Amino acid sequence: DAGVIQSPRHEVTEMGQEVTLRCKPISGHNSLFWYRQTMMRGLELLIYFNNNVPIDDSGMPEDRFSAKMPNASFSTLKIQPSEPRDSAVYFCASSLTGPRLNTEAFFGQGTRLTVV
Amino acid sequence: AQSVTQLGSHVSVSEGALVLLRCNYSSSVPPYLFWYVQYPNQGLQLLLKYTSAATLVKGINGFEAEFKKSETSFHLTKPSAHMSDAAEYFCATGQRNKLVFGAGTILRVKS
Repeated sequence: DAGVIQSPRHEVTEMGQEVTLRCKPISGHNSLFWYRQTMMRGLELLIYFNNNVPIDDSGMPEDRFSAKMPNASFSTLKIQPSEPRDSAVYFCASSLTGPRLNTEAFFGQGTRLTVV
Repeated sequence: AQSVTQLGSHVSVSEGALVLLRCNYSSSVPPYLFWYVQYPNQGLQLLLKYTSAATLVKGINGFEAEFKKSETSFHLTKPSAHMSDAAEYFCATGQRNKLVFGAGTILRVKS
C-alpha cells in the first residue's frame, strides 16, 4: 500500500481565496483524521471521521473550515476564505479503530499551506 | 480526559550518548500510549506503542520505552544516539478513538 496520500504537498494562496486539501487514506482503514501543525500550537486535531461519518469536529477552528468524506477512499479539508493565520502544515492520518484505540494512526506527508 | 505531557521541548545529546525523552500521562483507565517521530518536512512515523501486553516496549531504530504505572510515565530511550536520530518526537495517547499528542521534543545530536 502506498500509505496515506495527501495533495498538494505545498500550496501558496492569497488571503480570501478558497483552499482545498485532499487525502486518500490507506485502503481498509475506517478512521480518518485531519491535524494541523504550527510552531505555536503544535499538533491539533481538527476533525475525525469514522466510517465516513464525522465524529468529532470540535477542533475545527471556525466556520471557514469544513471537511467532507464522501466515501471511504477520499476526504477533503476546505478553507473558505483563507487567512494568513491559517498558514500551517495540515496532516491527514488514517487508522483501523475498534471500541478502543489500540492501533496506530498512519500519517501522510502533509500539505504545507501558506496564505499571503 | 486522557492527556500526555512531554518534559523538555529540546534535548541535546552527543553522538553515542544515551537518549532519554520524557513523557507522563494522565488517565483514569489503562492507557494506550504511542511514540512517534517526525523528521524534517515529513509526516509522523510510529516508533512504538504500549497496549498493556508488556511494560517494556521495543520499537524501531533501537528505541524502547517503559510503561511505569507508579510514575504515570512512558519515557523513550535509546542507548546510543546516532546523528540520524535528530528529529522531533511526540508522545501520544488514545482518547475515544483519536490520538492526543504531546507538545513534542526536538532531539539534537551533536557530533
